[in-house]
Amino acid sequence: KAGVTQTPRYLIKTRGQQVTLSCSPISGHRSVSWYQQTPGQGLQFLFEYFSETQRNKGNFPGRFSGRQFSNSRSEMNVSTLELGDSALYLCASSLEIGSYETQYFGPGTRLLVL
Amino acid sequence: DQQVKQNSPSLSVQEGRISILNCDYTNSMFDYFLWYKKYPAEGPTFLISISSIKDKNEDGRFTVFLNKSAKHLSLHIVPSQPGDSAVYFCAAQTGANNLFFGTGTRLTVIP
Repeated sequence: KAGVTQTPRYLIKTRGQQVTLSCSPISGHRSVSWYQQTPGQGLQFLFEYFSETQRNKGNFPGRFSGRQFSNSRSEMNVSTLELGDSALYLCASSLEIGSYETQYFGPGTRLLVL
Repeated sequence: DQQVKQNSPSLSVQEGRISILNCDYTNSMFDYFLWYKKYPAEGPTFLISISSIKDKNEDGRFTVFLNKSAKHLSLHIVPSQPGDSAVYFCAAQTGANNLFFGTGTRLTVIP
């Protein structure tokens, strides 16, 4: 069974631009969660989607948004990029919402904002 | 404000010895705690968890202890092996809601 895939793996943007990251979950998984990892803050939960609906949301500004498609694939968008948005963005998929023990993480997208 | 804290960014341990990774939290509503391990260039993988109704959970070489009164949990690895070298994150949640992670502790097991 293929794992969670994220594209692109690396990305360089400049301040003010917007970016879209993509996540393909494991086949059959309906829940997709997004996380931001930075050296100072560690891993922070962004949001969780299940059946195309956002079910949980972390404490991030509205510039961070996401969506999920009918095939469970998910995208995350960050608008008006700031230097502090430079981070590793991880997505994770699981069969059910809130199944954090059995969520599988992708390798992440490393975003650098200049 | 960081609700889950791992105050030791790094830890070095000799192979065969015990590794103890610590985690503190501030929210008394957390009822489930998890530990994840992360190797470079890979996503985190689930390691072990504990419910707030327990004070200990063991899985092979890994044991997690929970002290609710102190809002503290720890992960013990005995014996430590070089393959355990990774970054360890503790996380906490309430119900089926958001996970709050600590900042991670980098464990190095010296052969």
